[in-house]
This record gives sequence, structure tokens and C-alpha cells, in this order.
Amino acid sequence: GAVVSQHPSWVICKSGTSVKIECRSLDFQATTMFWYRQFPKQSLMLMATSNEGSKATYEQGVEKDKFLINHASLTLSTLTVTSAHPEDSSFYICSATGTSGGTDEQFFGPGTRLTVL
Amino acid sequence: AQSVTQLDSQVPVFEEAPVELRCNYSSSVSVYLFWYVQYPNQGLQLLLKYLSGSTLVKGINGFEAEFNKSQTSFHLRKPSVHISDTAEYFCAVSEVQGAQKLVFGQGTRLTINP
Repeated sequence: GAVVSQHPSWVICKSGTSVKIECRSLDFQATTMFWYRQFPKQSLMLMATSNEGSKATYEQGVEKDKFLINHASLTLSTLTVTSAHPEDSSFYICSATGTSGGTDEQFFGPGTRLTVL
Repeated sequence: AQSVTQLDSQVPVFEEAPVELRCNYSSSVSVYLFWYVQYPNQGLQLLLKYLSGSTLVKGINGFEAEFNKSQTSFHLRKPSVHISDTAEYFCAVSEVQGAQKLVFGQGTRLTINP
């Protein structure tokens, strides 16, 4: 199957700083990328959907000014957690699909563990 | 809106025994159904999916699932488990006429004991 990478795999930062997480599709063009967060021993919650070249669509309750998403190319989407606080500590997972609709499989990245001190 | 309920948060099973992980969903529209597996500190890997056609779906690693529309269920089964099947399993749905957004269940922790 297709490969999606995330960088970094883990990051520790101080409260108040910003952190950028990259999600790359390595062997296919990702027209749509999704960002999820997962708290310990809980399920994945969709944060936002991004299509290449357009603004991301955020789920209800997700602060768009805090979680900045940029899908600038067909192989790269970034999530920036601005002014991070301890409650933002979580496992962030991205997924990518090759079309903007239909039944195409979402391919998931390995995740990024963010710890905010 | 859709919702997914995984009825068991933890399932302990002995090696080589059969296992069933239960999943029920609720939706006012037609949905696709998925099972994913997550190993520790890793992303999700697709086990199998139901899009249409035969209600019995076979996936990777010997897993299969059966779609039951009347009971709105999509239970995952394996006739004989292995230690390496120890992982978290997630059931998910997405709207047929939608933007591919996945709604996940709470997850079931499958632990295989020797």
C-alpha cells in the first residue's frame, strides 16, 4: 500500500511555544489529508480535513487559530500547534487519500507524540 | 451523523483460540465500514473494509468481518489468534455520499495470552 510519513515522531516542547508537524505522502499524490488526535487509550478524533491548495475544514470544537493546517502541495500537509499548552499533549495522526471523494483508502502516518511541559 | 460503538474495551484470549470483536454503528445514511489495527505507538493499518456486495469480507492476517444491515453490526472475527495479534482494533464508518471522513469507535484492546 501507499506510504505516509510523519515528522517528527515525537516532540517535547515548553508551554507557549509552537510546534510544526509534517505529513508526507511518499509514493502518491494526496489530494486530501486528514488530521486526527488521539488521547491515551482513546479513539481517534478527526480535527480537520485539508485539500491541496485550499483552506482546511475544521471539525466542530477545534480551534482553527490554534491548530494551523497548510496543505501546500500534493505530497505535504503541515499541522502547527500554536502557543501549545499541556492540554495539547496528545498523539497526532495524519492520513492521506488520493482522491477527494469516493471509496479510496485512507493511508495513515505513524503518528507524532506531542508532550507539552 | 454517524456513531460507532465497540462493545468491548478489552478482550483477553488464549493463543490459537477464536476471537470476535463486536462493532455496532448508527447512521441515517448509507455507510462504508472499516476495521483498523493499531500497534503500540504506530498509526493505523487497514484490516478490511465493506463497500458493497458480499456481506462477508475477508482481510489481512486471517481476519474477516460480516456486515449485518438489519442489526447494524460489523463484527470482526479470527478463527485462531496469534501472539502477534495483540493490538488495539478500531471499527470505523464513513458516509457513502460524503467526504471520506471516518468516524471511529472507542477501540478494543485485544490481548493474546500464551
